[in-house]
Amino acid sequence: DGGITQSPKYLFRKEGQNVTLSCEQNLNHDAMYWYRQDPGQGLRLIYYSQIVNDFQKGDIAEGYSVSREKKESFPLTVTSAQKNPTAFYLCASSIDTLSRDEQYFGPGTRLTVT
Amino acid sequence: GQQLNQSPQSMFIQEGEDVSMNCTSSSIFNTWLWYKQEPGEGPVLLIALYKAGELTSNGRLTAQFGITRKDSFLNISASIPSDVGIYFCAGTVRAGGTSYGKLTFGQGTILTVHP
Repeated sequence: DGGITQSPKYLFRKEGQNVTLSCEQNLNHDAMYWYRQDPGQGLRLIYYSQIVNDFQKGDIAEGYSVSREKKESFPLTVTSAQKNPTAFYLCASSIDTLSRDEQYFGPGTRLTVT
Repeated sequence: GQQLNQSPQSMFIQEGEDVSMNCTSSSIFNTWLWYKQEPGEGPVLLIALYKAGELTSNGRLTAQFGITRKDSFLNISASIPSDVGIYFCAGTVRAGGTSYGKLTFGQGTILTVHP
């Protein structure tokens, strides 16, 4: 089955530690995205990548970093500089950013930092 | 930047009732998407709209791209308990043939269906 996987589903970290969230897709999509969702709020874009080895900051990139070394993988690192890291993180992908705008989401990772 | 106003914020309905929700914007959007999100899960794409005036159905769901390109609505007919969730609208603005993949999301409509 084609789809997007995120692991782990739940992640717990101590304040001051960096943590990396995994996102893998086997849809052969060029573009990938990371969003953050807080309770009762919509989705906010952290970073996006239109193609391998290229990525751009979204609306709330501070305290986060990404890499895109392979087409199917787009890991997100939440650094200790992120002031409020506890949130639900969603990864998405789309065919590209030219032909279609539909984005397909993974199941999400809930990060709790104490 | 662009903003989407989604209403209502929440709805409590009886099983079998029809549901209507909408999104409006002060600026023009080129694409409208509707998603459903269940607790603890990622959003699932329901319907994508690309043309002003377009009316598209997916089972009991029907969505329309407003003629002014500044709004969209989603209708659910004959609701059932599994329709429970948060429904999000999202839109894109294209410049030079691309949206750069940037979706603007509404705040969501929380739907509760009583059996």
